[in-house]
Amino acid sequence: GDSVTQMEGPVTLSEEAFLTINCTYTATGYPSLFWYVQYPGEGLQLLLKATKADDKGSNKGFEATYRKETTSFHLEKGSVQVSDSAVYFCALSDQQGAQKLVFGQGTRLTINP
Amino acid sequence: DADVTQTPRNRITKTGKRIMLECSQTKGHDRMYWYRQDPGLGLRLIYYSFDVKDINKGEISDGYSVSRQAQAKFSLSLESAIPNQTALYFCATSPGGGLETQYFGPGTRLLVL
Repeated sequence: GDSVTQMEGPVTLSEEAFLTINCTYTATGYPSLFWYVQYPGEGLQLLLKATKADDKGSNKGFEATYRKETTSFHLEKGSVQVSDSAVYFCALSDQQGAQKLVFGQGTRLTINP
Repeated sequence: DADVTQTPRNRITKTGKRIMLECSQTKGHDRMYWYRQDPGLGLRLIYYSFDVKDINKGEISDGYSVSRQAQAKFSLSLESAIPNQTALYFCATSPGGGLETQYFGPGTRLLVL
């Protein structure tokens, strides 16, 4: 079945550092890909998404590019802030049938001032 | 007001008790979902519903049941709670029709003693 694998956490960085969180997927067909963010005590919020190969999703300074050849959707940000501290989830949605989301295990990010 | 609400936000119960978690939405979406979140495992789908007359099992439905009382309401029941059902439970909605983005409630933290 479809699956998503994220880099192990937790990740701790200093403010203004460069961030990469790796995400790879296994899927039949051509899934849409998502990054969701979960701030402390809250539900998940959509951060960005991409629906086809070579699409780049971006939001709040975060970016991720849908790479079909490497089945990856790595999350990047050039300069992180303390307010970016959260848990980040990579997910895919197959475009057939139920269009269910399949999530990675999540990566906890802590940014120190 | 929040678009997706969950009640209660926190619940402690004992093994063998029946409990119900409720979800309401004002987004007008047809599709609703129940997930559980466990540390290191991401989110796993319990049940989903595409409209009032459509209920489907997800990845981990054993020990759970659901009821879609109206377009806006989707309840999750644990008929006889057990300790390994201790988790964070999320409700989500989506508009369907090829738009896969899901919108999450704030979560219910359940502890089964």
